[in-house]
Amino acid sequence: SQWGEENLQALSIQEGEDVTMNCSYKTYTTVVHWYRQDSGRGPALIILIRSNEREKRSGRLRATLDTSSQSSSLSITAAQCEDTAVYFCATDETGGADRLTFGKGTQLIIQP
Amino acid sequence: GPKVLQIPSHQIIDMGQMVTLNCDPVSNHLYFYWYKQILGQQMEFLVNFYNGKVMEKSKLFKDQFSVERPDGSYFTLKIQPTALEDSAVYFCASSYRDWVYEQYFGPGTRLTVL
Repeated sequence: SQWGEENLQALSIQEGEDVTMNCSYKTYTTVVHWYRQDSGRGPALIILIRSNEREKRSGRLRATLDTSSQSSSLSITAAQCEDTAVYFCATDETGGADRLTFGKGTQLIIQP
Repeated sequence: GPKVLQIPSHQIIDMGQMVTLNCDPVSNHLYFYWYKQILGQQMEFLVNFYNGKVMEKSKLFKDQFSVERPDGSYFTLKIQPTALEDSAVYFCASSYRDWVYEQYFGPGTRLTVL
């Protein structure tokens, strides 16, 4: 498996708090994609970080990538109720976005 | 933003029957994908398709599976015959290019094989 053997994790935090979700991967990737999936919908890309970037920001989102430890994180600052979703990281082992390999994801619940 | 549509949203069939899952990709996209997600597990790549041909398929893409997109219409995944282990949510995705371009996903078709 591309990913560690972690199960679908669940995180519950209060609105306004910061949260960080982590992923580790086993094989080479040129980019880590972070997707969110709302209930009953398909995944939607929220941020993408390439292997030559250590950090990428988009609004309240911040992704990091450490190629030496083969790990990536996604942080959300001042979480809001609408951030409630499942968050997945995905890699493209072949170097292109033609075969995404997804982790099991983190169920993030933001409590009002 | 661009939307990928999938029809039907749910499908229940008896084991051994044929099923066709339909995907209406983003109109100017050239690359098409199917992924499979069993409840509680991660989404897994099945196949990608470009210029009328399968480019790559995973070991999950069994001989009973086939894909096509005749004349720019729906991109379809056909399973014939179905097996119990085919029960899952199937997601279609499309992208304009294949090199680190965003894949846009549909809402999925939940397939239940009885």
